[in-house]
Amino acid sequence: SAVISQKPSRDICQRGTSLTIQCQVDSQVTMMFWYRQQPGQSLTLIATANQGSEATYESGFVIDKFPISRPNLTFSTLTVSNMSPEDSSIYLCSVSTGFDEQYFGPGTRLTVT
Amino acid sequence: EDQVTQSPEALRLQEGESSSLNCSYTVSGLRGLFWYRQDPGKGPEFLFTLYSAGEEKEKERLKATLTKKESFLHITAPKPEDSATYLCAVLVYGGSQGNLIFGKGTKLSVKP
Repeated sequence: SAVISQKPSRDICQRGTSLTIQCQVDSQVTMMFWYRQQPGQSLTLIATANQGSEATYESGFVIDKFPISRPNLTFSTLTVSNMSPEDSSIYLCSVSTGFDEQYFGPGTRLTVT
Repeated sequence: EDQVTQSPEALRLQEGESSSLNCSYTVSGLRGLFWYRQDPGKGPEFLFTLYSAGEEKEKERLKATLTKKESFLHITAPKPEDSATYLCAVLVYGGSQGNLIFGKGTKLSVKP
């Protein structure tokens, strides 16, 4: 398994602004992922954060809205840009340690007013 | 379209009252099925991975089983600390690497 931390744990932001969420892992991992958990909905994969290359986005998610950085094997950031109330959600970072299992961080609870 | 459905949405049990949670899936090709536990305000905690029909995994009061169409999470003699939302997810062949497809979860409450 892996120990994952996220910052901030929660934030309240105004519409039109941007928020960058950080994800730190206690060991080097190849695969890092960003998920969104909207109220009453399933977790949905936003993108896979690839070290040394651009992130791979799932259908319905675009780089301009959710830019991602992966500068090394233990760290990634997700930015939620030009926020609207519909972006209010929990954002979760996860990692895969070489097998199929994924381990999740504690999440960042975002409220957009 | 790959889909995961969990039932019931919510389940209330008395302490010691055993029961099962269901996860049914419709996928093009199952690579693996995963169970997670999620406590309020926290990220999902990994419980089990199942790969093939007939496979079973156990951990304390929890046992997960898998058939070709569904998985069950059996809870034997539950305790109040087992109260949480239990999530089921699948990984499919041919999909994006790492794209876990989640169900909406079953919220379990165990009363003392």
